[in-house]
Amino acid sequence: EDQVTQSPEALRLQEGESSSLNCSYTVSGLRGLFWYRQDPGKGPEFLFTLYSAGEEKEKERLKATLTKKESFLHITAPKPEDSATYLCAVQGSNDYKLSFGAGTTVTVRA
Amino acid sequence: GAGVSQSPSNKVTEKGKDVELRCDPISGHTALYWYRQSLGQGLEFLIYFQGNSAPDKSGLPSDRFSAERTGGSVSTLTIQRTQQEDSAVYLCASRRQGDRNEQFFGPGTRLTVL
Repeated sequence: EDQVTQSPEALRLQEGESSSLNCSYTVSGLRGLFWYRQDPGKGPEFLFTLYSAGEEKEKERLKATLTKKESFLHITAPKPEDSATYLCAVQGSNDYKLSFGAGTTVTVRA
Repeated sequence: GAGVSQSPSNKVTEKGKDVELRCDPISGHTALYWYRQSLGQGLEFLIYFQGNSAPDKSGLPSDRFSAERTGGSVSTLTIQRTQQEDSAVYLCASRRQGDRNEQFFGPGTRLTVL
């Protein structure tokens, strides 16, 4: 069974204070690792898909990286609008569903 | 274009009643998923539809839960004889054809069973 563990559970940052979120996973053949952002009361919003170890993707202040066992979401010089819960999910090679971690809730103070 | 839409946005019901939750996927998306998100929990897979193939119902927690997808588009998730533990946000997602394509989520339906 695919497993995804995210850490920390919560992260409080000062505006401009860069940090990283971790997503550790076990999966029988990785088809894709996905990062989503979820704001309170809303559905998850797609951010990135990573397919193979060594791959990196960037979007504004966010950068996602992938190894064979974990993924990191780096937030560079965050702003208050980056406050959200960030969800990591994996899709196994023999599967069509996503297995999600519990998420990391990021709060950025001005 | 329009994203995934779900209705109602909120549903309050009494224990034992049946409820129906609706999902309108993105036009042209062949795959449709239902997930459940309980307070403080990760998203839990419920059911998956792909085109005209038989759905993957492996995530449905009990036989009180069922779902259908008519005409390859709109989907309805039905919960019969609701229980308090069914209270959660029910999220629908759709994906265009292709194994690796990302899933796009709707805003969810918050179900509260009193």
